[in-house]
Amino acid sequence: QVQLQESGPGLVKPSETLSLICSVSGGSISSFYWSWIRQPPGKGLEWIGYVYYSGGTNYNPSLKSRVTILVDTSKNQFSLKLTSVTAADTAVYYCARGRQYSWFDPWGQGIPVTVSS
Amino acid sequence: QSVLTQPPSASGTPGQRVTISCSGSSSNIGTNTVNWYQQFPGTAPKLLIYSNNQRPSGVPDRFSGSKSGTSASLAISGLQSEDEADYYCAAWDDNPSGHFVFGTGTRVTVL
Repeated sequence: QVQLQESGPGLVKPSETLSLICSVSGGSISSFYWSWIRQPPGKGLEWIGYVYYSGGTNYNPSLKSRVTILVDTSKNQFSLKLTSVTAADTAVYYCARGRQYSWFDPWGQGIPVTVSS
Repeated sequence: QSVLTQPPSASGTPGQRVTISCSGSSSNIGTNTVNWYQQFPGTAPKLLIYSNNQRPSGVPDRFSGSKSGTSASLAISGLQSEDEADYYCAAWDDNPSGHFVFGTGTRVTVL
C-alpha cells in the first residue's frame, strides 16, 4: 500500500525559506494529485496546494505568492517551498495523495516545523 | 481561514447517535462533494467518508455521511469510546481560482 513520508528541517528562521520533501513508497506517483496541508498548533487544517504528476499545480490563494510545489517522478517525490516565513507558518506539515476536487488518502505522518530565530 | 463551519464540540454516551454539521456555500458544498476526516491527537488525519456518503474500506458502517444543498453532516451511530477524536469536513471551493477548504473541526467526546 502507498505510504508517504515527509522530511526536512524542523526549525526555520524568520524571513527564510521552508523546504520539505515528501517521499512516496509502495506505489507510483503517477496519476494522482499530491498535496501539502498544514496544521498550526491547536488549530485546524489548511490546504497549501497540490501538484499533479505531470507537473501542473494549484495553490491556496492566501499562500500563492510564497508557495512552490514541484514533482520529481524519477525519485517518486514531491516538494514544498514556502518563502519569507514568519511565526504564523509554524505548523505540522502533512503531505497527502489525492484526486482532483476530491479526497486526500493516505496522509504522511506529518513533520513539525517551527519558525523562530 | 476556514470557510466551512462546524460546531466546536459534540458529545454522547456509548451507544448514542451523534451528528456533526458542516455548513458551507454555493461555491463549495453546494457544487462539489464533501469528504470527512478523523484525527486522533498527535496523529495524521484519516479519510473517513468520501464523495458525501461513501466509506473507504475498513471504516465501520456506524459512520455515515450526507449532503443537502450547502450543508453536510456526519453521523456516528452506536458511539464507541474509540470514536473520541477530532472530525473535519472538506470540499473543493470554486472561488477564487479553485482551492480546497476545510471545516473548523469538531471534537467528539464520549461521556
